[in-house]
Amino acid sequence: DSGVTQTPKHLITATGQRVTLRCSPRSGDLSVYWYQQSLDQGLQFLIQYYNGEERAKGNILERFSAQQFPDLHSELNLSSLELGDSALYFCASSPTGQGASAFFGQGTRLTVV
Amino acid sequence: AQSVAQPEDQVNVAEGNPLTVKCTYSVSGNPYLFWYVQYPNRGLQFLLKYITGDNLVKGSYGFEAEFNKSQTSFHLKKPSALVSDSALYFCAVRDSPNGGKLIFGQGTELSVKP
Repeated sequence: DSGVTQTPKHLITATGQRVTLRCSPRSGDLSVYWYQQSLDQGLQFLIQYYNGEERAKGNILERFSAQQFPDLHSELNLSSLELGDSALYFCASSPTGQGASAFFGQGTRLTVV
Repeated sequence: AQSVAQPEDQVNVAEGNPLTVKCTYSVSGNPYLFWYVQYPNRGLQFLLKYITGDNLVKGSYGFEAEFNKSQTSFHLKKPSALVSDSALYFCAVRDSPNGGKLIFGQGTELSVKP
């Protein structure tokens, strides 16, 4: 168990809908990262938050947004969903410090039908 | 920009034989390198990392990795493979020393046959 909790584990929704994925980081970790894993794109970095502030942005679509709350949990919001958004979405957390490791949650499998 | 490459999509090994999963990197500055493993329908599990120091890094489940600066490589190794080692392996690099995102390779599917 990595200590990172993601909910829900599975999500099936229709095109055009909006969903929210939730992540609780390991206790004490200030950084949260979101990744998308699909068969054709591999592991793609979406966005990073550090202590409530956005720190880095990757190839995140404008339809997607995220935030980190004062208790450090994070949410990834996906809207106007398309079939191509079907993927595994991972959250990871990391402590501060050079070379710190990141620990991943079990992921949320999103299926858009 | 920092990057890693895993030149093999798949590696096949017989149980009991040594295994190597290859990774090369391209970084500016000192590299912070990681290996993760992903079992089916599971998240990524941290195996080991290289930050500085000894070029041979030991990690979980009997895995080790050799950092080679001249060849810009960070290959994952295990002296004796188990069927249960069959999984997807990812090499990754931090894009900045302090808390930067991890940049992953494409992954290598390891298959260990009895």
